[in-house]
Order: sequence, then structure tokens, then C-alpha cells
Amino acid sequence: QQQVKQSPQSLIVQKGGISIINCAYENTAFDYFPWYQQFPGKGPALLIAIRPDVSEKKEGRFTISFNKSAKQFSLHIMDSQPGDSATYFCAASMYGGNNRKLIWGLGTSLAVNP
Amino acid sequence: GAGVSQSPSNKVTEKGKDVELRCDPISGHTALYWYRQSLGQGLEFLIYFQGNSAPDKSGLPSDRFSAERTGGSVSTLTIQRTQQEDSAVYLCASSRLDNEQFFGPGTRLTVL
Repeated sequence: QQQVKQSPQSLIVQKGGISIINCAYENTAFDYFPWYQQFPGKGPALLIAIRPDVSEKKEGRFTISFNKSAKQFSLHIMDSQPGDSATYFCAASMYGGNNRKLIWGLGTSLAVNP
Repeated sequence: GAGVSQSPSNKVTEKGKDVELRCDPISGHTALYWYRQSLGQGLEFLIYFQGNSAPDKSGLPSDRFSAERTGGSVSTLTIQRTQQEDSAVYLCASSRLDNEQFFGPGTRLTVL
């Protein structure tokens, strides 16, 4: 059972375009929603994260939109660049006794054409 | 400062052999996580350490998998009697309490 569903599986965007990746979750106890970026041969790196008390968070060209009632959140990459080509994972977690294990989506492979 | 390091970066083993994977977390990070990343399957939580204790082992797939952490620092994930389905990238992450997890580069395990 996939607790965090991510779409699309792959995405091709032209340079300068907007990349949008969507995730949906089931467990209403989740209280932390990060997005990770992973380049080949590297471990995932935190890109941006949001907690459910806000509906949007922006950091540079990256924005998370969060819809608590729909149990959905999305990543928007504005002015996409070839250097953004990577695999993006959404995740969710709940805090329990210092444990913040992450439940992951299956990832989106993003290719930005120059 | 130095990030999370893992060794070896690649490990090829024969079915039935035991393997040990090592993780050196960022100094001062009390929390340590092991995840497994299989192609097309995202990342799968294996085990969580707080200091040297492992209050959450719920993700270990079978009793062939075990992990320990010593001195609140280095952790070792051991897989006994490896099977082909164990082939994956094993990722380690560390964090301060309730904060961002920093990942190592992973160990790619191939079981022939």
C-alpha cells in the first residue's frame, strides 16, 4: 500500500518552463512534507519542506503548494533549467518520540531540455 | 564540515554470503536512519537509531537484516545469507532531533 502517491513518473520540460510534480497522501497524522532532489550516484538532498499550517512555501524558484483538505501537495519549479534535471521525491512523516522516518513517493524523473 | 559517508560505495557479492555496510553520520547528529532504494520503488525505511538504541526497527524486511550503532556514531547494517532481491542501493541519513535528514551517497549492493 503506497501511503504517498507521486505523479507523474517522468516529466520533460523546456528550459524556462514550469515543472509541476504532484503528491497525495492518506495519513492525516503526517505533519511534515519535504521534497528531495537526487542526482545520479548521489543521495537525496532536501530541497524544500512544508508543514500543514501553511498553504504555500517559496524558496527561490521552488514552491510547495499544500492542500490539507485534499491531502495533496505539489512542487512547482519556475524557470526550469537544465541543471534541475534530476529525480524528485516527495515524502511525508509524522513525529513520534524523536523519530521522523520518511515515507516516500516513487519519484519523478525530470528532464529539462536546453 | 564533512557530510554523511558510506562504505563501500559498491558491493558485489554472491548469493548466500553475508555483507556489512557502514555509515559514518555527521558529527553531533544523534538520529540515524537506514533506507533502501530499489529501482522504481522509491525509498523504503529500514531502521531508526537514536543514539545507540534502535526504537524503530519496523522496516527491516526479514531477520537476515540487522543493524547496530556504536558510540552514538558509526552504524553497520548487516545482511546475512544475501538473496538476489536484496540488490538495491542502501542509503544512510543522519539528523539532529526532528530536523532535516542528510543523506550519504549510498552503497550499491548487487547480489549475483
